[in-house]
Amino acid sequence: AQKITQTQPGMFVQEKEAVTLDCTYDTSDPSYGLFWYKQPSSGEMIFLIYQGSYDQQNATEGRYSLNFQKARKSANLVISASQLGDSAMYFCASYNFNKFYFGSGTKLNVKP
Amino acid sequence: GAVVSQHPSWVICKSGTSVKIECRSLDFQATTMFWYRQFPKQSLMLMATSNEGSKATYEQGVEKDKFLINHASLTLSTLTVTSAHPEDSSFYICSARDRTSGSLREQFFGPGTRLTVL
Repeated sequence: AQKITQTQPGMFVQEKEAVTLDCTYDTSDPSYGLFWYKQPSSGEMIFLIYQGSYDQQNATEGRYSLNFQKARKSANLVISASQLGDSAMYFCASYNFNKFYFGSGTKLNVKP
Repeated sequence: GAVVSQHPSWVICKSGTSVKIECRSLDFQATTMFWYRQFPKQSLMLMATSNEGSKATYEQGVEKDKFLINHASLTLSTLTVTSAHPEDSSFYICSARDRTSGSLREQFFGPGTRLTVL
C-alpha cells in the first residue's frame, strides 16, 4: 500500500527560527516523486519543493530544503528563518503509480 | 510556472440540484487530470483520475454515477456533482500533469472550488 505519514498534527515555531516538519513514505514504485505543499486558509495548494527518487542531492528552494533519507523512507521539510506568513497547513505527498498520495498534514503556527 | 484554473471558485446550491465544476490547464496540455475532495481540517482525498478521451478511473468508495467526470479535451476536465446533498459540501480541487514533461515534478493544482449545498 502507498502511504504518507505526517506525525505532527500541529507545530509552533518562533519567528526567525528554523523548523522541521516530518514525513515518512511507503511505496513499492521504484520511481517516485516527493512533494511538499503549503495550504493557507484560502485553500490553494502552493508548491514548495520536489525531490525525485533518483536525485542524489537534497532539494532546496530558497528557505525550504528537503532532508531526503531514502533508506529510512523519510522526506522531512526544513524551513529556515520562519516568517509569520509561513503559518499554514503543510502537506507531504508522494507521486507514484501515476497518483498523488497525501499525508494528513501539519499545521504550523509561527509566533512573533 | 504552469497554471490550472477552476471555475467557479465557490458555489452554493440547493439540495437535489446538479453542479458542474471546470478544471482547465491554461498553458499546457494535460492528458491526465485528478479530482480531489477535502473536508475541513482534513487532507486531500483523491476521487478520480480523469483521462482525456476515455472514461475516468474512480477511487474505491466514490460513486461514479454521482460524480460525473468528463475530460473532453487536453485542457479541460469537468466534475458534475449530481443530485447534490448537504454531505457533498466540500472543497474540490483538481490537478493536472504536463504531458510534455518527463519529470514527475510538473504537477499543478487548481485553486479549488468550495461547494455548499443547502
